[in-house]
Amino acid sequence: GENVEQHPSTLSVQEGDSAVIKCTYSDSASNYFPWYKQELGKGPQLIIDIRSNVGEKKDQRIAVTLNKTAKHFSLHITETQPEDSAVYFCAASSNYGQNFVFGPGTRLSVLP
Amino acid sequence: IAGITQAPTSQILAAGRRMTLRCTQDMRHNAMYWYRQDLGLGLRLIHYSNTAGTTGKGEVPDGYSVSRANTDDFPLTLASAVPSQTSVYFCASRIEGQGNYGYTFGSGTRLTVV
Repeated sequence: GENVEQHPSTLSVQEGDSAVIKCTYSDSASNYFPWYKQELGKGPQLIIDIRSNVGEKKDQRIAVTLNKTAKHFSLHITETQPEDSAVYFCAASSNYGQNFVFGPGTRLSVLP
Repeated sequence: IAGITQAPTSQILAAGRRMTLRCTQDMRHNAMYWYRQDLGLGLRLIHYSNTAGTTGKGEVPDGYSVSRANTDDFPLTLASAVPSQTSVYFCASRIEGQGNYGYTFGSGTRLTVV
């Protein structure tokens, strides 16, 4: 089955700097890769996603890149703000969103 | 309500007791899911339902059961709770086939089995 690894497990950046979180997946049939943000005491919230026919997607300060050959995808957050502090999860699915496999999460801290 | 409602928000349960975690959504999503979240292990799928009347097993189904009698409700039952079922439980839903594949999650139920 699918296995998703995520690095780093924790990340601290200064406000205004960029943050990058990387995930690798094992199943070459995976075709949908979402990223979720989880704030303390809340459920995960979808922030951006990418499909296997696209190499990059941007939404304001957030971008995701996908390298299908290497089977990895990354979340890029630019101009980080304190409210970006949260746990971020990547996920992969081989059936366009059915039964995701999640990475273990990255705790991002943005220091003022 | 708008979205997914989970109840209770937290519960302390004696081992061996039966417990049902409730999940209701008002978005008419056809697919629903139950995940457990444990530190260092991320989110792991317990059971899922692609449409009302059908259910399937996820990665960690043992000790749990679900039912999907209608579109809106997807309860998760622990028949005889054990301490290893201490976790935060999240219900999620999504619509299939409309180009939007992401899940909507509830706020979670924190369960402690003692």
